[in-house]
Order: sequence, then C-alpha cells, then structure tokens
Amino acid sequence: QQPVQSPQAVILREGEDAVINCSSSKALYSVHWYRQKHGEAPVFLMILLKGGEQKGHDKISASFNEKKQQSSLYLTASQLSYSGTYFCGTESNTDKLIFGTGTRLQVFP
Amino acid sequence: DVKVTQSSRYLVKRTGEKVFLECVQDMDHENMFWYRQDPGLGLRLIYFSYDVKMKEKGDIPEGYSVSREKKERFSLILESASTNQTSMYLCASSLFLRQGATYEQYFGPGTRLTVT
Repeated sequence: QQPVQSPQAVILREGEDAVINCSSSKALYSVHWYRQKHGEAPVFLMILLKGGEQKGHDKISASFNEKKQQSSLYLTASQLSYSGTYFCGTESNTDKLIFGTGTRLQVFP
Repeated sequence: DVKVTQSSRYLVKRTGEKVFLECVQDMDHENMFWYRQDPGLGLRLIYFSYDVKMKEKGDIPEGYSVSREKKERFSLILESASTNQTSMYLCASSLFLRQGATYEQYFGPGTRLTVT
C-alpha cells in the first residue's frame, strides 16, 4: 500500500520554507526521500531509520516518527534548484520499498 | 561516478509487439529494479531481482516479465505490448538488502515508451 504524501503540490518564492509529509498505514523501519527534476532520474536525498532520527544536509532535513508512521521533509530558505517532484519511499517488515505519489515543488524567483 | 544506463530514452511500438527494455549498472550492485512512472501514481514496482537469474514480482507485474542473465544487466520484457503500457519506465539498482539493512537506489534516466 502506497504511503500518502501531502501536499500534492507546493509553490514557493525563493527563501521560503516548505514541509512535505509522508504517512503510512504500516509499521515502518525506514523512510527514503528522493527528488526528481523535470526530465531527469530520481536522485537519493536521505534515508531515515526507525529510532526517530532526524537527518539533513544543507538546508534540507527530515524527521521520522515511527509511532505515528510518518516522516516529514523540511526545506528551509528554498532555492530555485529545489524545484522538482519529491518522493518518499517506505519500507516495512512485510514490504520492500514502496514509493508515494510525489509532491511537486516549484520555486520562483 | 555511479551509473545506471537504459537502452533507449524514447521508444514507440505497436500494439502486440514484443518489447525489450535494457538496463545496465556499473556499480556491482546485487539488486536491480524496474518501475513504471505515471502521472499521479508515483513510482510503482514491476519486478526486482536480488541476484543473477533470481526475480520477484513487485506490485504490478501483469503483462511484464524480466530477465537477469548477468549481474550488471536487467531486462524488462513486454510480451505483447498494449496501449495501457504506455508509460515512463525507470530502472534502479542498489546494494543487497539484507535483514535490517536498507540502501539508497540509483536510478537510470528512464525510457518513455509509447504503444500505439
């Protein structure tokens, strides 16, 4: 069963912040985040493992709340290069990586 | 630099044709995956392979088969292409998924297949 991502789309001005959420109905042991720019392959951003860890690089970070079976991706002070579609992927004991339907992010000057 | 390549970026085939999509990775990864990507549906797993000659069905295997004769190459086969198989097909690879471990997937550029 696919995880649910929200919102489906986000429009930002440069410098604004955004949060993308990913939730599952299953107990998870990991959450992956990927970004796909238009016409390109998805590119790995980060993996979060159960234990409630928070990870980040540059101004993109994420958290994983295993009790709520949710993960959130935080984009702060957005840049034009952040535009693209963001996918979360979830793994459980019974399922291999299943991707969500994606969140389209557009950053304008 | 890690690389996953796919044989074609664009492909147009007729209904009923047999279609082969090829994927090659140069990272010595054990796992390889085939996904299809459709607007609003995200990435859906068709098949994956965790070793040469080994395969497992994903979420939407109907109408597809796969072949993995060499570690670096994973082929997706549409036995008799239909218009509802018009889609973007993405190949990916990763290190072996052993119990309790998880690794990032590296994706190829995709093949946009149109079946007319």
